[in-house]
Amino acid sequence: GAVVSQHPSWVICKSGTSVKIECRSLDFQATTMFWYRQFPKQSLMLMATSNEGSKATYEQGVEKDKFLINHASLTLSTLTVTSAHPEDSSFYICSASTDTGDGYTFGSGTRLTVV
Amino acid sequence: DAKTTQPTSMDCAEGRAANLPCNHSTISGNEYVYWYRQIHSQGPQYIIHGLKNNETNEMASLIITEDRKSSTLILPHATLRDTAVYYCIVRGRVGTASKLTFGTGTRLQVTL
Repeated sequence: GAVVSQHPSWVICKSGTSVKIECRSLDFQATTMFWYRQFPKQSLMLMATSNEGSKATYEQGVEKDKFLINHASLTLSTLTVTSAHPEDSSFYICSASTDTGDGYTFGSGTRLTVV
Repeated sequence: DAKTTQPTSMDCAEGRAANLPCNHSTISGNEYVYWYRQIHSQGPQYIIHGLKNNETNEMASLIITEDRKSSTLILPHATLRDTAVYYCIVRGRVGTASKLTFGTGTRLQVTL
């Protein structure tokens, strides 16, 4: 079945630095990828939708200049958390979809801790 | 996308069937019912989806009422590894991908 690889699985960074998270579709081409954020004991909150070759669409309240999304190829999307602060500490999850939209495959998530 | 309502939590004994209900009374005719689950600290896992007919796969069965206003996910023989948060999501199926909106889900605890 479809596999989405997310890297790194966890990262600790200092406040003020930037962190890049990668999301790759390993055996299919993903025209659309989604980025979610999940705080402890809460549900997944959609941050943005990225389409290959175009600008990402951000959900209301998500700062596009802070959470930079690049979807330069059909198999790779990246999320960069710029100038990270402790409140950005969270579980970040990507998902990918093919054109058929039958289902969405999720990455294993990245736990970001900003100290 | 239509909003869904699920119980906050449920318990199930190992080996027994787990029946997880979901209400989606505002579902429209072209919207599908999707089920995902999330095991602690992992990404969500697709389970099953359906439009109006009952569906079954190797993981579970999905029973959708005739009026489509509710559905039930059935795990026929629950194991400890089925302990997870289960999300019922309703969305349209269009030519290009549309976003999934997650509710609070049902936390299923499978016990010995």
